Amino acid sequence: GEDVEQSLFLSVREGDSSVINCTYTDSSSTYLYWYKQEPGAGLQLLTYIFSNMDMKQDQRLTVLLNKKDKHLSLRIADTQTGDSAIYFCAETPGGSYIPTFGRGTSLIVHP
Amino acid sequence: DGGITQSPKYLFRKEGQNVTLSCEQNLNHDAMYWYRQDPGQGLRLIYYSQIVNDFQKGDIAEGYSVSREKKESFPLTVTSAQKNPTAFYLCASSTGRGEKLFFGSGTQLSVL
Repeated sequence: GEDVEQSLFLSVREGDSSVINCTYTDSSSTYLYWYKQEPGAGLQLLTYIFSNMDMKQDQRLTVLLNKKDKHLSLRIADTQTGDSAIYFCAETPGGSYIPTFGRGTSLIVHP
Repeated sequence: DGGITQSPKYLFRKEGQNVTLSCEQNLNHDAMYWYRQDPGQGLRLIYYSQIVNDFQKGDIAEGYSVSREKKESFPLTVTSAQKNPTAFYLCASSTGRGEKLFFGSGTQLSVL
């Protein structure tokens, strides 16, 4: 199976909260990341969390980490049309500098 | 401003032709990476390099080659042996200590 799993699509209404989920398999991962990709562009780091943290908040973004279940989530408050993009979850296994990416979740925000 | 630059933005390959994608960074990063992105398949690692004059194969290296003669540059050649080269190619760099990646804006390669 895949090392990092995400659902492929999420559709939300403008102004609502979006929650994108991710599961990973390597319990030794030290860094867990969320990247955003807009159409025809490269990936940009949105936020990240160290494995010794449970939560990180950055303006409209909240990252929750459940190490027991190896589950990572990204919550976007007050979702806007400009948030429409593909969101990638990634982990860097302990002892490695090569990140493993999920397949990405396409977030569609409609009026 | 520091960053990572890929060129060209669009590239077309004829049958039997080798093509080279450029990637340059001025972030003083040690590690550089090449990924291939196909719709719905996420990112697949082609090659990576941690230091100058050294690089390793990733998950899908067949039909590709790279060089790392300078710290700033990591060009990718798509050879004629790669039978399905149409994809979006992304170059990235990092400090090489497991920290975040910085990505270029990508090159879309298509076959004529």
